[in-house]
Amino acid sequence: GEEVAQTPKHLVRGEGQKAKLYCAPIKGHSYVFWYQQVLKNEFKFLISFQNENVFDETGMPKERFSAKCLPNSPCSLEIQATKLEDSAVYFCASSQYETQYFGPGTRLLVL
Amino acid sequence: GDSVTQMEGPVTLSEEAFLTINCTYTATGYPSLFWYVQYPGEGLQLLLKATKADDKGSNKGFEATYRKETTSFHLEKGSVQVSDSAVYFCALSGQAGTALIFGKGTTLSVSS
Repeated sequence: GEEVAQTPKHLVRGEGQKAKLYCAPIKGHSYVFWYQQVLKNEFKFLISFQNENVFDETGMPKERFSAKCLPNSPCSLEIQATKLEDSAVYFCASSQYETQYFGPGTRLLVL
Repeated sequence: GDSVTQMEGPVTLSEEAFLTINCTYTATGYPSLFWYVQYPGEGLQLLLKATKADDKGSNKGFEATYRKETTSFHLEKGSVQVSDSAVYFCALSGQAGTALIFGKGTTLSVSS
């Protein structure tokens, strides 16, 4: 597609529940990124992929967060045992070169 | 490490006023520079970019010039509209696949 698609738009989970977010990158883009927007304006990088391979995972809290990009499937970001502080908007972006294009985000609320 | 500093907001202007949002960066090598805009309740949209020194990015009346000597990428618009009210983020990146480094965002509010 011509735009990065993210589902769901909103997600509500009780503390301790699992959350799974999906991202379909722009067709032809090799790189996929996940960012977490907290505190209104602050962006935190989580992980990036080059095709189905992890490219950079330096921002990923590995205990509860995992991500995949498999061929012919949307990329996914999964949070096991969500915590209150995971409440944020999660953005996916894709790129072919240095310019990243963002999806509309998934707003996760952990109660 | 690399970093981006942009002026703190909020910036409040009247319609048709001139806008400048300052952005400076610290980076090793030769990063690409970007301005993204986030309208209320929406995702990030690429506003403009510049990939090398002295390049000028422009879009929708907004402009920014990549100044290597002052490590700056200030955003300007000659006449703002109410519809420009949003949060503006300055960002940099290195090679393809590397994370964007964002500034903290500047909230612009334009009144008629």
